[in-house]
Amino acid sequence: DAKTTQPPSMDCAEGRAANLPCNHSTISGNEYVYWYRQIHSQGPQYIIHGLKNNETNEMASLIITEDRKSSTLILPHATLRDTAVYYCIVRGTSYGKLTFGQGTILTVHP
Amino acid sequence: EAQVTQNPRYLITVTGKKLTVTCSQNMNHEYMSWYRQDPGLGLRQIYYSMNVEVTDKGDVPEGYKVSRKEKRNFPLILESPSPNQTSLYFCASSLRAGGGYGYTFGSGTRLTVV
Repeated sequence: DAKTTQPPSMDCAEGRAANLPCNHSTISGNEYVYWYRQIHSQGPQYIIHGLKNNETNEMASLIITEDRKSSTLILPHATLRDTAVYYCIVRGTSYGKLTFGQGTILTVHP
Repeated sequence: EAQVTQNPRYLITVTGKKLTVTCSQNMNHEYMSWYRQDPGLGLRQIYYSMNVEVTDKGDVPEGYKVSRKEKRNFPLILESPSPNQTSLYFCASSLRAGGGYGYTFGSGTRLTVV
């Protein structure tokens, strides 16, 4: 599975959009981009995933560049409860392992 | 409610005393996996199971055993726990193993071995 690179930390004001970048320059054609988040020591929570097209659900939007070498997770109206560690993961059609990196610590402040 | 249930949430035990951490999912998922999380090391996969009676080692399987006799259950067994197995453990499940399916994680089991 391809490796990912994320900034170690980011800040965002409450009510503003949080844009979290992820680089995955070695991604291959059958690998998906996944985003998870972990609040304190709770179990990681699935947010969204995509292959080529941009995706949107009730939690967030995922923008994948045309060459698929990077992506951005967008939380459109961040709240204090969105403060968490956000993990960008690339996963292929292999046996299913999610390889977690260090993630981005997002802090939403009032 | 669709969920992955782990028990217990907290456990303190002594070195060498066998223990089992249970994991159950109610979503008819084929794929299940165990992770441990340690400061500075992140989440690492211990074992995984593609389906009933099919299990395999992850990245850090030493000192652990698993079994998958039923689709919904995937217990983690520590035959002789040691202090270096003190960690936060998560069970996860997915409809299938391949790409395109999200994982659902349990709430975690914090294990302390003294």
